[in-house]
Amino acid sequence: DTAVSQTPKYLVTQMGNDKSIKCEQNLGHDTMYWYKQDSKKFLKIMFSYNNKELIINETVPNRFSPKSPDKAHLNLHINSLELGDSAVYFCASSLEQVISPLHFGNGTRLTVT
Amino acid sequence: DQQVKQNSPSLSVQEGRISILNCDYTNSMFDYFLWYKKYPAEGPTFLISISSIKDKNEDGRFTVFLNKSAKHLSLHIVPSQPGDSAVYFCAASGNTGNQFYFGTGTSLTVIP
Repeated sequence: DTAVSQTPKYLVTQMGNDKSIKCEQNLGHDTMYWYKQDSKKFLKIMFSYNNKELIINETVPNRFSPKSPDKAHLNLHINSLELGDSAVYFCASSLEQVISPLHFGNGTRLTVT
Repeated sequence: DQQVKQNSPSLSVQEGRISILNCDYTNSMFDYFLWYKKYPAEGPTFLISISSIKDKNEDGRFTVFLNKSAKHLSLHIVPSQPGDSAVYFCAASGNTGNQFYFGTGTSLTVIP
C-alpha cells in the first residue's frame, strides 16, 4: 500500500497551459505539503495544509493554487505554465500534533517546453 | 537564503567502512533535525532524527550527532553497504510547526 501517492509521475506540457498534480495520503495524517525540487536539487516548501486549511504559503506565484477537498487529498493546480516551473514536485504529509517526519510521495517531474 | 547547507555534493566510500555525511545550519532557532535518504525516481524517506536536547541518536548502523554550538550535524553509517548508495538530505525545523528546511543533498556511493 502506497502511503503518499501522487499522479502523474511525469508531466510534459507547453508554456501557457494549465495543469494539475494530484496527491493522496492514506496515513491518516492531518497535514499535507507541496515541495518543489529545482534543478539545483534544492527542496523548498511551497504550501502546507492542515485539515483542509492553508497554514503555510511561501513566496510562490499565484499561478500556483493548492486545493484540499479533504484532509487526505491535496492537489496542486498550475496556471499559465512557464519554463521556470520545470522541476520535480513532491507531495508530503505528517502528523499535526507533534513535530514529526514528513512522508513523501515519489514526485512528479514537470517539464515545460 | 539557504538555512541548511550540505557542502559536499558527493561522497564515495568502500563497503564496510564508515560514511560520514555533514550538514550545517544557520538558524539558532532550529531544534529538530532529520536525515532523509532518496533513491532515484523516488521520494525522500525518513531515516533518523534528533532533537536539540540531545547530541547523539543511534538507530542500528545509523548515528546522528548534533553540535549546537557549531550549528553542525553529521550522519555516520557504519558499516557502509552498497544498498546505502543514495542521496542523503538533512533537514531542520523550529518549534513553531512542521516547516522543514532542507539541504541540497549529498550523493553517497558505497563501492563493493
